[in-house]
Amino acid sequence: AQSVAQPEDQVNVAEGNPLTVKCTYSVSGNPYLFWYVQYPNRGLQFLLKYITGDNLVKGSYGFEAEFNKSQTSFHLKKPSALVSDSALYFCAVRDPRWGGATNKLIFGTGTLLAVQP
Amino acid sequence: EAEVAQSPRYKITEKSQAVAFWCDPISGHATLYWYRQILGQGPELLVQFQDESVVDDSQLPKDRFSAERLKGVDSTLKIQPAELGDSAMYLCASTSEGRLNTEAFFGQGTRLTVV
Repeated sequence: AQSVAQPEDQVNVAEGNPLTVKCTYSVSGNPYLFWYVQYPNRGLQFLLKYITGDNLVKGSYGFEAEFNKSQTSFHLKKPSALVSDSALYFCAVRDPRWGGATNKLIFGTGTLLAVQP
Repeated sequence: EAEVAQSPRYKITEKSQAVAFWCDPISGHATLYWYRQILGQGPELLVQFQDESVVDDSQLPKDRFSAERLKGVDSTLKIQPAELGDSAMYLCASTSEGRLNTEAFFGQGTRLTVV
């Protein structure tokens, strides 16, 4: 069964420093991978996705993520953090092979990013 | 910019009462999802519609939860009777039909508190 893990409940970083939010996945085939951000009492906003092709994908607000098939990871990164980046970040995986019940999108438990001024 | 609309934003209800949430997906999106997000956890799929048909409701507690999308456009999720453990954020999302590589667009959610 497909699954996704976010090993860190919280990541603390100083403004201006690079940030990394970790995500690992478990899917039998080639996964579709997504990152979403959630601000307090709001829905999820799409940041970026990996479907195929270049392992480094760039997304909204200066975020990027690197797909690493051998390590089954899809870590979210940003070269220089902003205080406004403070939010809850979710990694999600979808198994696109036909036969999966609904090819459902499975979310991790989330990582709270706190950027200190 | 097109958005997924949800209402109400907040709902407080007493246990054993009935409660309903409404969702209007992005125009043209045939696939609609209802997720439940308990505080401190990731969203969990409750039900998925393709047009008016239920594709997956394996995680929907059918003894108290029901969902419908009669005309294949907007959708209603109902809980009857509500229990304290149902307190959560209920998120609706939509995607284009048959395009697994597209991102799901989420509404702002309904925060349910059962007292």
